Amino acid sequence: NAGVTQTPKFQVLKTGQSMTLQCAQDMNHEYMSWYRQDPGMGLRLIHYSVGAGITDQGEVPNGYNVSRSTTEDFPLRLLSAAPSQTSVYFCASSRGLAGGSNEQFFGPGTRLTVL
Amino acid sequence: AQSVTQPDIHITVSEGASLELRCNYSYGATPYLFWYVQSPGQGLQLLLKYFSGDTLVQGIKGFEAEFKRSQSSFNLRKPSVHWSDAAEYFCAVRLSGGYQKVTFGTGTKLQVIP
Repeated sequence: NAGVTQTPKFQVLKTGQSMTLQCAQDMNHEYMSWYRQDPGMGLRLIHYSVGAGITDQGEVPNGYNVSRSTTEDFPLRLLSAAPSQTSVYFCASSRGLAGGSNEQFFGPGTRLTVL
Repeated sequence: AQSVTQPDIHITVSEGASLELRCNYSYGATPYLFWYVQSPGQGLQLLLKYFSGDTLVQGIKGFEAEFKRSQSSFNLRKPSVHWSDAAEYFCAVRLSGGYQKVTFGTGTKLQVIP
């Protein structure tokens, strides 16, 4: 099991460029989430998905789009990059058991710099 | 509003000394509680979790945490710290049932001195 994988590990963009951060999991987890981590702010939820074809917004969704066409993949799209989106991005997945522990498994992160 | 507080931004301990990292939460009901560790440049790894039952839970790497309902706290402890424990530690909470947003604390960075 590779667990949760993320690509790329590092990325530098210019303001206004678009790009897609990739996330994949091989644990057949229903739930997947994207977080951003900024110094002194912990992790903040951007978007999440409870299954293929179902996504919803987290607490900081502006400037990001997601889709979930398969159980395994959950890409995060930056539509028009801004310096405020400079951050470390983490993808996480968990089982979709109602009332279960639903422990989240995290990918290694993507460090994004927007100039 | 639901919140998680880790009051200590940075803690320094000597190798071999005991450690306690504080976490307080504000939720309407008892949530699921987690502690994660993040080494530099790495993702988050689960140390331990509490759902119900015994309020003292054991985790990996010799860590334990105690849930105190009356204090809304879930403090992380380790009796003897090793240099390899230097990392950032995050407390997290979520409600039970289906998909529930996980709320993370702002983290405590642990430095271990020889």
